[in-house]
Amino acid sequence: DTAVSQTPKYLVTQMGNDKSIKCEQNLGHDTMYWYKQDSKKFLKIMFSYNNKELIINETVPNRFSPKSPDKAHLNLHINSLELGDSAVYFCASSQLQGTNSPLHFGNGTRLTVT
Amino acid sequence: QQPVQSPQAVILREGEDAVINCSSSKALYSVHWYRQKHGEAPVFLMILLKGGEQKGHEKISASFNEKKQQSSLYLTASQLSYSGTYFCGTGDRGSTLGRLYFGRGTQLTVWP
Repeated sequence: DTAVSQTPKYLVTQMGNDKSIKCEQNLGHDTMYWYKQDSKKFLKIMFSYNNKELIINETVPNRFSPKSPDKAHLNLHINSLELGDSAVYFCASSQLQGTNSPLHFGNGTRLTVT
Repeated sequence: QQPVQSPQAVILREGEDAVINCSSSKALYSVHWYRQKHGEAPVFLMILLKGGEQKGHEKISASFNEKKQQSSLYLTASQLSYSGTYFCGTGDRGSTLGRLYFGRGTQLTVWP
């Protein structure tokens, strides 16, 4: 059973398009995150949600809009895609809010903007 | 806020030991360690919360110094399966608004 699953695994699109990535977790966790990993493997937090409520927005451009319909799902919609958005996007979840609880990552979505 | 990880890369033969360091200029609330294999998700290894804490089992363990500004990950008698990129993540505060900031990673390669 996959704990944190995200779709699609690969996404290739052109500049200016809008795309979405979906994430679901079956761990019963209250907190979910989006992380971005660039080509140099730098992992950076983008958003965190706790029980459908936005907790952290780490100065991400407003072209990125997360949505959490329930605590098991956190989707990421990206408008007007730019070349610099190319990266691997990881969804993650944790049992507790804050930083004293391990992160469980999904397998990532590799976004390529051409 | 981003911790400094060293070294950037390590190459070992099976059976050799390695130490990866993670440091910050400020006291940390927590330190996480993750391993990421190529093309896969980062996988949680361990978390340290208290100054002076040591954790893990005999092959992979970690410490958190008393001042809570440095953590080290110890890999002993390395195996081929240890290859991957190791990340430390540091928590900046204990509140529910705490963020985890990751280091740049240490690429570990174990050869037979």
